[in-house]
Amino acid sequence: AQSVAQPEDQVNVAEGNPLTVKCTYSVSGNPYLFWYVQYPNRGLQFLLKYITGDNLVKGSYGFEAEFNKSQTSFHLKKPSALVSDSALYFCAVRGQTNFGNEKLTFGTGTRLTIIP
Amino acid sequence: EAGVAQSPRYKIIEKRQSVAFWCNPISGHATLYWYQQILGQGPKLLIQFQNNGVVDDSQLPKDRFSAERLKGVDSTLKIQPAKLEDSAVYLCASSFTAKATDTQYFGPGTRLTVL
Repeated sequence: AQSVAQPEDQVNVAEGNPLTVKCTYSVSGNPYLFWYVQYPNRGLQFLLKYITGDNLVKGSYGFEAEFNKSQTSFHLKKPSALVSDSALYFCAVRGQTNFGNEKLTFGTGTRLTIIP
Repeated sequence: EAGVAQSPRYKIIEKRQSVAFWCNPISGHATLYWYQQILGQGPKLLIQFQNNGVVDDSQLPKDRFSAERLKGVDSTLKIQPAKLEDSAVYLCASSFTAKATDTQYFGPGTRLTVL
């Protein structure tokens, strides 16, 4: 069975500093990895995804993520944090096997707080 | 383009009552998903439709939950009777196809409180 781990429930970063939100995964077959952000009382907004190719993926709002196959990680990063980046971030994985597509499996989320 | 629409946004009911949620996916998206998000957890898939057919309902509590997508466009999720543990946000998502690589786009969700 596939799974996603977000080891930090809460991450605090000073405005202007670089930020990292961690994600590790376990999946059979090819991993397809996604990051979503959730603002209060709103649904999930897609940030970026890794399918294949370049291990560094660029997404919306200046975010990027690095796929590391040997460490089974897909950490979300941003060079300079904004207060408006404060939100709940979810990592998700969807595997593909010979038997078909797995469902999209989410981590438990990391609350990111940017301190002015 | 318009996003995924859901209604109502909020619903409060007593336990053992019934409730229904509606979802209209992004135009042209063949695949529709319903997720349940309990406070403090990530979304969990309840059911996946491909056009008007069910692809995966393995995690849908079928004794009380039902869902349909009769014309392959909008969808309704129903709970009858509701239990306290059904309190959650119900998210609808859609994607162009059912491919594992396709991005799922989410609606704003319906927050259900069961008293």
